[in-house]
Amino acid sequence: DVKVTQSSRYLVKRTGEKVFLECVQDMDHENMFWYRQDPGLGLRLIYFSYDVKMKEKGDIPEGYSVSREKKERFSLILESASTNQTSMYLCASRLYRGPGADTQYFGPGTRLTVL
Amino acid sequence: GNSVTQMEGPVTLSEEAFLTINCTYTATGYPSLFWYVQYPGEGLQLLLKATKADDKGSNKGFEATYRKETTSFHLEKGSVQVSDSAVYFCALPANTGNQFYFGTGTSLTVIP
Repeated sequence: DVKVTQSSRYLVKRTGEKVFLECVQDMDHENMFWYRQDPGLGLRLIYFSYDVKMKEKGDIPEGYSVSREKKERFSLILESASTNQTSMYLCASRLYRGPGADTQYFGPGTRLTVL
Repeated sequence: GNSVTQMEGPVTLSEEAFLTINCTYTATGYPSLFWYVQYPGEGLQLLLKATKADDKGSNKGFEATYRKETTSFHLEKGSVQVSDSAVYFCALPANTGNQFYFGTGTSLTVIP
């Protein structure tokens, strides 16, 4: 089974801090994703990566950056955390691209609170 | 582009009741369709999927049929259990690239 792990389940940070969220997958997937999940808004894509060192912006990239130095690891960085970034952050991976039947596999999520 | 519209929640049902959660989609071509489930405190996991028109996906007593004529993929279960309490998401991938489009989620609570 594919396993996607995230470095923390719960995180509390202060406004202005630099925050790193780490995600690791163990199935050699090409594609990795970062979403944030907020009540009433569903999942919104922040960034995704389709190869090492390759990244593309999703729907809401402002205030975030990402890093993918190794295939199995995809990091989300909040350069200067703000209270409106308090949210649940979900990492996912997928083997292929496109409209096929290949599913995304999700990590357990990191609930980030910015005070 | 592709998109999904999902029935708003929350939904509260008694145990053994029938469940329907509506999902309609807009898509170019015929992408695969997915239902994901999120149990409290966890990430999303695949519940079922269908890859082409008239396909029926099924898992854990849940079913959904890919309806091209009504552009729908409604989730159904004949008899819900307390353990089905979760948030359910309809989703489909983009035709090109990596994007998945998710509905806003429907929260289901099943009471004994």
